[in-house]
Amino acid sequence: KQEVTQIPAALSVPEGENLVLNCSFTDSAIYNLQWFRQDPGKGLTSLLLIQSSQREQTSGRLNASLDKSSGRSTLYIAASQPGDSATYLCAVLFSGGYNKLIFGAGTRLAVHP
Amino acid sequence: NAGVTQTPKFQVLKTGQSMTLQCAQDMNHNSMYWYRQDPGMGLRLIYYSASEGTTDKGEVPNGYNVSRLNKREFSLRLESAAPSQTSVYFCASWLAGVRETQYFGPGTRLLVL
Repeated sequence: KQEVTQIPAALSVPEGENLVLNCSFTDSAIYNLQWFRQDPGKGLTSLLLIQSSQREQTSGRLNASLDKSSGRSTLYIAASQPGDSATYLCAVLFSGGYNKLIFGAGTRLAVHP
Repeated sequence: NAGVTQTPKFQVLKTGQSMTLQCAQDMNHNSMYWYRQDPGMGLRLIYYSASEGTTDKGEVPNGYNVSRLNKREFSLRLESAAPSQTSVYFCASWLAGVRETQYFGPGTRLLVL
């Protein structure tokens, strides 16, 4: 069964810290992997999308890496800010699954001043 | 350009009642999706529509029906609501291309008593 797992489930850090969120998936045959942000009571916002042929993507203070062979992705957030507080979801589009994203349960991040 | 819209935002039902959740997108996307999100879990696919006139079951279709009314609209119906269907429901649409991502609506919070 194709599954996506995120560790840790929750994280609380002081402002300014660099942090890493982890995502693992069970099948290396993927089309792409995305990181989403979800604010409480809101929908999902796509942060970064990595195609299967890519190793990483960067947007501002965010950097996402992809290692298909080990079934892992990491989201690196540099110099965290209170505004980064949200839930971060990893979602994988597995090859052969018609446009069906499989989501991890998310990491709930709290950045305190 | 409103993106993906959902109605209602919040609904309370009694067990056994029926209701339809509405979703519309104005981005001319072919594919549309319905997910549910439960506490501590990622989004799980209920049904999807790859194109106008087609619908297919996702991971958790039991207790739901869908209608792809036209290219813009994709509705989700609960014929006889159960407390286990208490959840947040998200609609999404798909843009296939260089950056293949799904765009999500703001969600509908459903409470079944």
